[in-house]
Amino acid sequence: QVQLKESGPGLVQPSETLSLTCTVSGFSLTSNSVHWVRQPPGKGLEWMGIIRSGGSTDYNSALKSRLSISRDTSKSQVFLKMNSLQTEDTAIYYCSTGIWWGQGVMVTVSS
Amino acid sequence: DIVMTQGALPNPVPSGESASITCQSSKSLLHSNGKTYLNWYLQRPGQSPQLLIYWMSTRASGVSDRFSGSGSGTDFTLKISSVEAEDVGVYYCQQFLEYPRTFGGGTKLELK
Repeated sequence: QVQLKESGPGLVQPSETLSLTCTVSGFSLTSNSVHWVRQPPGKGLEWMGIIRSGGSTDYNSALKSRLSISRDTSKSQVFLKMNSLQTEDTAIYYCSTGIWWGQGVMVTVSS
Repeated sequence: DIVMTQGALPNPVPSGESASITCQSSKSLLHSNGKTYLNWYLQRPGQSPQLLIYWMSTRASGVSDRFSGSGSGTDFTLKISSVEAEDVGVYYCQQFLEYPRTFGGGTKLELK
């Protein structure tokens, strides 16, 4: 059974760095890509980036300067790090294979 | 970046009626391999998105045959026949031809 679960802090201070973890089960990260997608409250979906089965990455050009996606295949975990957070980064953050999605984690950027 | 533009529905839709959601891309999503790189997702209230359709017209596993996808290289339609209560939510199209992957703005379906 494929599962993805996001975890991380619910509250981040402005200008600080967000660190999220996506823990997967039921499939191998060396055989499947994982995407990060976010959704501001009441708004639509924004694709953030991908880490492919081979470990290469691609990012949304609007976020590229602040965003990093990495993984630890031995722990079946994918990581998202985004720096210089602002209030407009407040959103639900999802990890997904495209077919399977996590439940999402709400991140609020506020002082 | 490829821009995806979705149309609105004349909400609310009467239960049992059909509904068609449109999506347009700023670039053809038809690849030289003959496949069209378009997904459709449904996000029910309070839930994560669910993949409905991929390759423009292939239903994902477990998806009702009331959902069908069609289109050309740049203009796409998701048709829902006989709308039911469980179909309520926001529908998104997404292109996966190029990076960055881009979503449409979403189309809300409400039931009458």
